[in-house]
Amino acid sequence: DTGVSQDPRHKITKRGQNVTFRCDPISEHNRLYWYRQTLGQGPEFLTYFQNEAQLEKSRLLSDRFSAERPKGSFSTLEIQRTEQGDSAMYLCASSDRGEDTQYFGPGTRLTVL
Amino acid sequence: AQKITQTQPGMFVQEKEAVTLDCTYDTSDPSYGLFWYKQPSSGEMIFLIYQGSYDQQNATEGRYSLNFQKARKSANLVISASQLGDSAMYFCAMREGGSGGYQKVTFGIGTKLQVIP
Repeated sequence: DTGVSQDPRHKITKRGQNVTFRCDPISEHNRLYWYRQTLGQGPEFLTYFQNEAQLEKSRLLSDRFSAERPKGSFSTLEIQRTEQGDSAMYLCASSDRGEDTQYFGPGTRLTVL
Repeated sequence: AQKITQTQPGMFVQEKEAVTLDCTYDTSDPSYGLFWYKQPSSGEMIFLIYQGSYDQQNATEGRYSLNFQKARKSANLVISASQLGDSAMYFCAMREGGSGGYQKVTFGIGTKLQVIP
């Protein structure tokens, strides 16, 4: 039984560069979520997919951020023209149809220099 | 108003003792769910326990129990027989809206628990 996986676990980039993160949910989970967590805070919701459809986006998700889940399985989160304020832990979670609990991956820690 | 309030930034507990982590919530939705997650220094959020707003009994999972007081809008986590491995950040979270549907979850800012040998 594999849990949610995320790649990479750590990413260091220079300001202005683009980065892409990948999330593989628990197999057969049709719901997938992205969160951002900054130091000293709890995770903040970014976006939600049900299968391949992106059904909800937070206003935290500026136009530099884009997320996809092309075949309803894995998802990618891309940040264009990164800024130092984007430095955070990016967490992915998935849940099954009819379930209340979201299961999280290990996160991708982004550092923008 | 904050949807989830965790007022204890840090807590200490002696190994093998019980500890209560506080959480209060704010919602006008009659259907909601409350969660506790543990986040060790590695960063992964580990699900601990869930309580639905219509559940009649307090949830329990092994050494974890959720003291749900609906009228007070509180959902405190009780950890019995603390172990050194319990040292971590603990987050209270709330789902609003019907069960099984879209799951927007709001998290508190967490409580750092340290277990002392």
